[in-house]
Amino acid sequence: GAGVSQSPRYKVAKRGQDVALRCDPISGHVSLFWYQQALGQGPEFLTYFQNEAQLDKSGLPSDRFFAERPEGSVSTLKIQRTQQEDSAVYLCASSLAGQTPNYGYTFGSGTRLTVV
Amino acid sequence: SQQGEEDPQALSIQEGENATMNCSYKTSINNLQWYRQNSGRGLVHLILIRSNEREKHSGRLRVTLDTSKKSSSLLITASRAADTASYFCATDDGNKLVFGAGTILRVKS
Repeated sequence: GAGVSQSPRYKVAKRGQDVALRCDPISGHVSLFWYQQALGQGPEFLTYFQNEAQLDKSGLPSDRFFAERPEGSVSTLKIQRTQQEDSAVYLCASSLAGQTPNYGYTFGSGTRLTVV
Repeated sequence: SQQGEEDPQALSIQEGENATMNCSYKTSINNLQWYRQNSGRGLVHLILIRSNEREKHSGRLRVTLDTSKKSSSLLITASRAADTASYFCATDDGNKLVFGAGTILRVKS
């Protein structure tokens, strides 16, 4: 597609519910990143894929967070047993680059998750 | 944790004026990037400056980089109401970008 597509655009979850957020990157982009952005803050790194390999998951805040990209294109970020502190905008970005971010990222519009 | 720190946190100017935002960072870098984020939207890549460059231009944007001071500035000339947004600097940290907290720019018409 022309850009990075994320769905759903908005998600309201009850505390304890599991959620799945989808990211469809630009076709052919090797790198895919998930970021979490709290209100009024900059994006915080969660995890990074190069093709289907998850090379860095150091930013995932707990074992309730899980991400996958099984065929090296679409990625899903899953949050189990959601808590109120998980409320944030989840941004997905993709890039042509391999390991080093020497090119700009293309971001999706994000999924705004509200846990009530 | 966020490596970049933008200054000021918020900036309000009149249309036609220039806007300058600053970014400081902590560790050595390969490049520094600036992004814009309109309210409720994703980030848009504006410009990338490499560590061996001192200044770069793109349209009404001018970015400078001072690696000895670990700082960068973004200048937007002849601002427009449509420039109203949050602006973030980002530095490379291994295989990912690390973003600052951003500067909120408001351009009044």
